[in-house]
Amino acid sequence: GAVVSQHPSRVICKSGTSVKIECRSLDFQATTMFWYRQFPKQSLMLMATSNEGSKATYEQGVEKDKFLINHASLTLSTLTVTSAHPEDSSFYICSAPTGSDQPQHFGDGTRLSIL
Amino acid sequence: GEDVEQSLFLSVREGDSSVINCTYTDSSSTYLYWYKQEPGAGLQLLTYIFSNMDMKQDQRLTVLLNKKDKHLSLRIADTQTGDSAIYFCAETPSSGGSYIPTFGRGTSLIVHP
Repeated sequence: GAVVSQHPSRVICKSGTSVKIECRSLDFQATTMFWYRQFPKQSLMLMATSNEGSKATYEQGVEKDKFLINHASLTLSTLTVTSAHPEDSSFYICSAPTGSDQPQHFGDGTRLSIL
Repeated sequence: GEDVEQSLFLSVREGDSSVINCTYTDSSSTYLYWYKQEPGAGLQLLTYIFSNMDMKQDQRLTVLLNKKDKHLSLRIADTQTGDSAIYFCAETPSSGGSYIPTFGRGTSLIVHP
């Protein structure tokens, strides 16, 4: 069964809206979670590393004020796309390892469409 | 830097074996993974292999690792239409802590009757 739960699975909203995506680890604690963005027919692009109890680490070129990450508990990380615009439309996926030296397990992704 | 390469497409007939290949450049890779992504879904971990292993088999899946050539392959026996998906190869450069995998661009497997 799924070890990482991601919600919502799909969002359609108007330009200027802020959208929050949740990523939860099920039955395990995740001090670190990862947020990816995937464009059509392309691989995953790592956006940021979410660290429980501290600031997220953003990859080069990712606007931290645009993509707010909060990891307030050991089982939940949230990604908020602030003032979303059509160019933010994409497939966003989170992941978490179940432990050190363990593989990443992924959520089912969130399809974000900004009109 | 790290780089993972895969062919973009593979087409096979139902019942045949599929072999998806991957090459990587980081010689310090510790784990190598295969993920499956169906349309509109996240990535599903299929299998993974530790770098000191040569082969791992799990039901219809066989992973072969040639560490000298930095070549990883995934063989799917008796391929079914439900196997149609994108398959991502990934590797992690070091063990311990919060490691971040490097993904290939994915191989789109098309299974036709």
